[in-house]
Amino acid sequence: ILNVEQSPQSLHVQEGDSTNFTCSFPSSNFYALHWYRWETAKSPEALFVMTLNGDEKKKGRISATLNTKEGYSYLYIKGSQPEDSATYLCALPGSARQLTFGSGTQLTVLP
Amino acid sequence: DTGVSQNPRHKITKRGQNVTFRCDPISEHNRLYWYRQTLGQGPEFLTYFQNEAQLEKSRLLSDRFSAERPKGSFSTLEIQRTEQGDSAMYLCASSTGVADTQYFGPGTRLTVL
Repeated sequence: ILNVEQSPQSLHVQEGDSTNFTCSFPSSNFYALHWYRWETAKSPEALFVMTLNGDEKKKGRISATLNTKEGYSYLYIKGSQPEDSATYLCALPGSARQLTFGSGTQLTVLP
Repeated sequence: DTGVSQNPRHKITKRGQNVTFRCDPISEHNRLYWYRQTLGQGPEFLTYFQNEAQLEKSRLLSDRFSAERPKGSFSTLEIQRTEQGDSAMYLCASSTGVADTQYFGPGTRLTVL
C-alpha cells in the first residue's frame, strides 16, 4: 500500500504571494507522480505527470519539481491569484495504474 | 464537450435504497476507473476496467457495490442497500493505454440519509 502524504493540509495566502506545497512518497519502485488541481464543483484537472528524478515542469505560474531519491515533489505557485484557490492533489500509480492520492492541500487565495 | 461526464451530479437517498451512477468516458479511452472521495481525504480507488473487463477491485468495494462497463463504453456503479457510510463523492476517470494521465469527471455526490 502506497503512503502518499501532502503538507500543509490547508493554506491561506494573499493575492500576489508565492506559495509552495509538498508531496512525500516512498522512494522505492517509483514509476510516476501526478499533480491535479480540483476546484469546487469541477472535475479534477491534470496539471503534471512527472517521471524522472530532477524533473521540473511548468504551466503558466505553476511549476513542480521531483526528487525520486528522497521521495518528494514540490508544487510552486508564483503570484497567487484568487482563481488559484483549489485543492491540489498528488498521486502515484499502482500496478494497474490506479492512482493512490494524498489527502490534498487546500489553497485559499484572499483578494 | 468531449470530457468525462457523470450523471447524476447529486443524489440524495434514504438508507437501504439502491442507487446507480453512470460515467461516460472520453470516447477513445479504453481504461475506466472509479474512485470515492470523502471529506478531508483524497480520492480512493474502487475499481478499474480495461475495455469491458473489470480487472481490479479494491477491498473498499464491498459486495453491495457492483460496476459494469458493457461493450467497453459507458460504465455504471450500483450500490445496493445504501448505508450512511456510503455518503461520498464518486469520481470516474478514463485514460488511454498509452498515456497514463487520467481525466476525471465532475463526480456524483451521494448523500445517504
